[in-house]
Amino acid sequence: GAVVSQHPSRVICKSGTSVKIECRSLDFQATTMFWYRQFPKKSLMLMATSNEGSKATYEQGVEKDKFLINHASLTLSTLTVTSAHPEDSSFYICSAARLGTYQETQYFGPGTRLLVL
Amino acid sequence: AQSVTQLGSHVSVSEGALVLLRCNYSSSVPPYLFWYVQYPNQGLQLLLKYTTGATLVKGINGFEAEFKKSETSFHLTKPSAHMSDAAEYFCAVSASGSQGNLIFGKGTKLSVKP
Repeated sequence: GAVVSQHPSRVICKSGTSVKIECRSLDFQATTMFWYRQFPKKSLMLMATSNEGSKATYEQGVEKDKFLINHASLTLSTLTVTSAHPEDSSFYICSAARLGTYQETQYFGPGTRLLVL
Repeated sequence: AQSVTQLGSHVSVSEGALVLLRCNYSSSVPPYLFWYVQYPNQGLQLLLKYTTGATLVKGINGFEAEFKKSETSFHLTKPSAHMSDAAEYFCAVSASGSQGNLIFGKGTKLSVKP
């Protein structure tokens, strides 16, 4: 299989604090990981594409200084929401593309629900 | 550029009835097409995908979809709905063979009545 995990699954934090979300591909190596944000009753919006060992590519309108992405290894990418505010509350989902194949299949993590008070 | 339109944000069927979820796409290159299912508070699970070859694609849980280039459609069907099929379904497109990203439709919530 191709399993992707996220940690934590749920986090509540105070406004102004930073939160780190981990995305791991458990049984395969992924050169590319994607971070999505999903608003209630809305579709997934791509935030950024993360390549191992290089800087992430952010979509238009996504603040790179607020949403820090690090892809330190072929199995781990992290998203840090810095100085979180209530409007950052959302469901964050990562996905990973298997190394060596076209990126036509992304394997999704279970998501992290962030609530900023 | 690619885009996806899912007709109907909410579809309700009776248990045992046919499920039809509509998806139309636009793409300037031959597309790869996907259907994902999302259960409440969970991530996305791949149901099926079309890349090349046979246009009728069978997926998990008895779902299938047919790629119709002339209609730019990739509708998802299942002959007989189960209560466990109640979920949100997303159609997505990516540019074939590229390093491109998935473009998702807005999703269709499927309800199944007993």
